[in-house]
Amino acid sequence: QMQLVQSGAEVKKPGASVKVSCKADGDIFTGYYIHWVRQAPGQGFEWMGWINPDGNGPKYAQKFQGRVTMTRDTSISTAYMELSSLISDDTAVYYCASNWSSGHWGQGTLVTVSS
Amino acid sequence: DIVMTQTPLSLSVTPGQPASISCKSSRSLLHSDGKTYLYWYLQKAGQSPQLLIYEASNRFSGVPDRFSASGSGTDFTLKISRVEAEDVGLYYCMHSLKVPPTFGGGTKMEIK
Repeated sequence: QMQLVQSGAEVKKPGASVKVSCKADGDIFTGYYIHWVRQAPGQGFEWMGWINPDGNGPKYAQKFQGRVTMTRDTSISTAYMELSSLISDDTAVYYCASNWSSGHWGQGTLVTVSS
Repeated sequence: DIVMTQTPLSLSVTPGQPASISCKSSRSLLHSDGKTYLYWYLQKAGQSPQLLIYEASNRFSGVPDRFSASGSGTDFTLKISRVEAEDVGLYYCMHSLKVPPTFGGGTKMEIK
């Protein structure tokens, strides 16, 4: 059964960028969309965007347009989410998730933005 | 964007008693393909969300049968027939009818 394993926690300064990875354990990665969702401390969930199975045409939430880039490397079953121009409000746990009905979510990556 | 509204914000339940959570969407979640794209998740402390229900009423693999869900259009309900201690956490509904998918604000379940 596919699992999603994310990269470790990051601490970044305001204005910097962060790149979070999400590696699929399994050989069905190529058939799955990968969504990115974040959860600020004590808050609910916010969808950031998705990248489709062939890696083309990622779709981003309007809020993050121009600041987020989602990519995937099928050869190593890994998806990436890069967020630039970080501010303190970007402090959150970032999750990757595959097709919603699959139930697969990564363990989350805490990104802390602090000067 | 579709707004998802959950009630109650919190509930405290005695083990063995039933519990119910409501989720209302600002527009119908029925897709032209006949499916209703409404999901229920449980997030336990310090963990990722775990899928309980997909497409409004389908119990996900491995989810105990004390969990059930119903509803259509804009009104949905998650029911737990007999709450157990391990059911504590935050419950969220989510839609994926269209972009962007959005989540309810969450319902915190505690055990009395």
